[in-house]
Amino acid sequence: EDQVTQSPEALRLQEGESSSLNCSYTVSGLRGLFWYRQDPGKGPEFLFTLYSAGEEKEKERLKATLTKKESFLHITAPKPEDSATYLCAVQNYGQNFVFGPGTRLSVLP
Amino acid sequence: EAGVAQSPRYKIIEKRQSVAFWCNPISGHATLYWYQQILGQGPKLLIQFQNNGVVDDSQLPKDRFSAERLKGVDSTLKIQPAKLEDSAVYLCASSLVSRRAFFGQGTRLTVV
Repeated sequence: EDQVTQSPEALRLQEGESSSLNCSYTVSGLRGLFWYRQDPGKGPEFLFTLYSAGEEKEKERLKATLTKKESFLHITAPKPEDSATYLCAVQNYGQNFVFGPGTRLSVLP
Repeated sequence: EAGVAQSPRYKIIEKRQSVAFWCNPISGHATLYWYQQILGQGPKLLIQFQNNGVVDDSQLPKDRFSAERLKGVDSTLKIQPAKLEDSAVYLCASSLVSRRAFFGQGTRLTVV
């Protein structure tokens, strides 16, 4: 059974304090690993797709990396507007997405 | 590009009542998903359609939940009868085959 775990469950940072979120996964066949951002009362918003170990993607203050067992979302010099829940999901060869429970990030000014 | 449309945004019903949610995916997206997201948890797949055929409904509680995607476009998800534990946000998503999923705003269901 495909599984995704995320840590920490919640993270509180001061503005400018860099950190990383972890996503660990087991999947029968990895088609892709996805990071989404979810704001309260809204649906998840796509951030990145990673397809193979060693791959990295960047967008503004966010950088996602992938190994064979886990992915990291690095947040550099975060701002309060980065506060959200960050969801990790794996897509298997059946093409459906299995999501982790998310990491709730709070960035304090 | 228009996004995934869902309605209603909010619904409050009493237990044992029935409820239906509607989803209009992004035009041209063959794959449609319904997810259930309980507060504080990640989305859990209920059912996946490819055009108007079901690909995966292994986690759909079929004794009370049903879904259809007529003509391979719009979809409806129904719960009958509802239980207290069905209180959650129901998310619809669509994608091109093997591509990232785009999500709607969700329908927040409260069962009292």
